[in-house]
Amino acid sequence: YVLTQPPSVSVAPGKTARITCGGNNIGSKSVHWYQQKPGQAPILVISYDSDRPSGVPERFSGSNSGNTATLTISRVEAGDEADYFCQVWDTTYDHGVFGTGTKVTVL
Amino acid sequence: EVRLLESGGDLVQPGGSLRLSCAASGFNFVYYAMNWVRQAPGKGLEWVSAISGSGDGTYYADSVKGRFTISRDNSKNTLYLQMNSLRAEDTAIYYCAKGQLATVTSGGLDPWGQGILVTVSS
Repeated sequence: YVLTQPPSVSVAPGKTARITCGGNNIGSKSVHWYQQKPGQAPILVISYDSDRPSGVPERFSGSNSGNTATLTISRVEAGDEADYFCQVWDTTYDHGVFGTGTKVTVL
Repeated sequence: EVRLLESGGDLVQPGGSLRLSCAASGFNFVYYAMNWVRQAPGKGLEWVSAISGSGDGTYYADSVKGRFTISRDNSKNTLYLQMNSLRAEDTAIYYCAKGQLATVTSGGLDPWGQGILVTVSS
């Protein structure tokens, strides 16, 4: 199972960033999103398509339908600059699968 | 506070073996699945292996199946990854990560350890 993300997304401060994660019928799976800043371990920012773990700002939201899941970052701040990865469980083969990753640059 | 601390990373020759450990604290270890995820230098995340809370379910990426073995000691709150027949392409930072549930194929990974470097080179 392959998850495809755009390599990069650029956004001005205060604007909205949308990061897509494409996969065959991904809408039938639960999608989880991770943020990774340079030199740091990833952190979970969205689970089960749209749930925000405790401590994650409300500016982070997620959706999932059809063949595309989307992570949306509203009112982008400089501190949101990071790599973002989507992830699902491929229950056909009992494998975890990560997306290719998207580097978000704040202009 | 939930904490995960990896250890055991090293420089090893191709064909060699290494065992990683992940010491967990701050949560009831037996109630949660655990995972290993790796990241080659400058690359993305690659899921490696997972184990259910009870330890009776184990799962592997095709790239490591038959060479790596995941296990856990719930009495010691510790996760392990035995890595045999290591290859240059296994060079990466290895992270342990807690699942959100006891079953493996559900939920995200939260939190992650700080990672440990494994280098396979002659």
